[in-house]
Amino acid sequence: DGGITQSPKYLFRKEGQNVTLSCEQNLNHDAMYWYRQDPGQGLRLIYYSQIVNDFQKGDIAEGYSVSREKKESFPLTVTSAQKNPTAFYLCASSLGWRSYNSPLHFGNGTRLTVT
Amino acid sequence: SQQGEEDPQALSIQEGENATMNCSYKTSINNLQWYRQNSGRGLVHLILIRSNEREKHSGRLRVTLDTSKKSSSLLITASRAADTASYFCATPEILTGGGNKLTFGTGTQLKVEL
Repeated sequence: DGGITQSPKYLFRKEGQNVTLSCEQNLNHDAMYWYRQDPGQGLRLIYYSQIVNDFQKGDIAEGYSVSREKKESFPLTVTSAQKNPTAFYLCASSLGWRSYNSPLHFGNGTRLTVT
Repeated sequence: SQQGEEDPQALSIQEGENATMNCSYKTSINNLQWYRQNSGRGLVHLILIRSNEREKHSGRLRVTLDTSKKSSSLLITASRAADTASYFCATPEILTGGGNKLTFGTGTQLKVEL
C-alpha cells in the first residue's frame, strides 16, 4: 500500500542534542512538507520541498534543517538552536507542481519530547 | 500566520445529531480543504471545494463555500461516535512553478457521545 512512513513514533532527547526525524513516501509525490503541531493548536509549516534537491523555509524554520536528496525521503533535523522543540511533528506529501489542487497525504507523526 | 479560523473550538453532540463547524479565512483562495485528525494520528483529507463551487457533498459530509464572506462550513449528518476527531480547514498558497503550501486553521474538536 502507498503511504507515508514517519519514524520513530515517539522520540526522547536531552536538551542540547540534535535529533533527526525520518519521513519516507512511496506515493511518487514530488512535494513534501514538515509541519509542527502543539497541543490543541493547528499546524505550522516548518519546511517544504517541491522537488528533489530543493527546499524552502516555511513559517517557523528557525532551529530546524532539512535535506531532499531523494524523491522518497525528506528528513527533518531538530537542532539545539530550536528553543521549544517538544511537539508533534507531521510529514506530508502531495503531487506538487503537477496539480495545485492536490490534497496532502500525511504520515502518523513523531512525538518529540526534549527534557 | 493562521489563514483559517474554525468555530467553534469544541463541539459535543449526541450520536445521530448533525455537527456543523465553520471556517473563516482572510485572503483570496483557489480552493479550500477540510481534514480530519484522530487523536495522536496524522491528518486525513476529507473534501476539497474549489472557489467556483458553492456546495459539495461526500457521503455524510456537506461543505459550503461563500467567497464573498470568506467562509466555509462543514456539516456532518447523522453523526457517529467514530466521527469523534479534530477537524481542520486549510487554504492553499499557490507557489511559483506550481504546487501549493497549505495553511491550516486551529481546528474544531468534535466529540460524539453515545
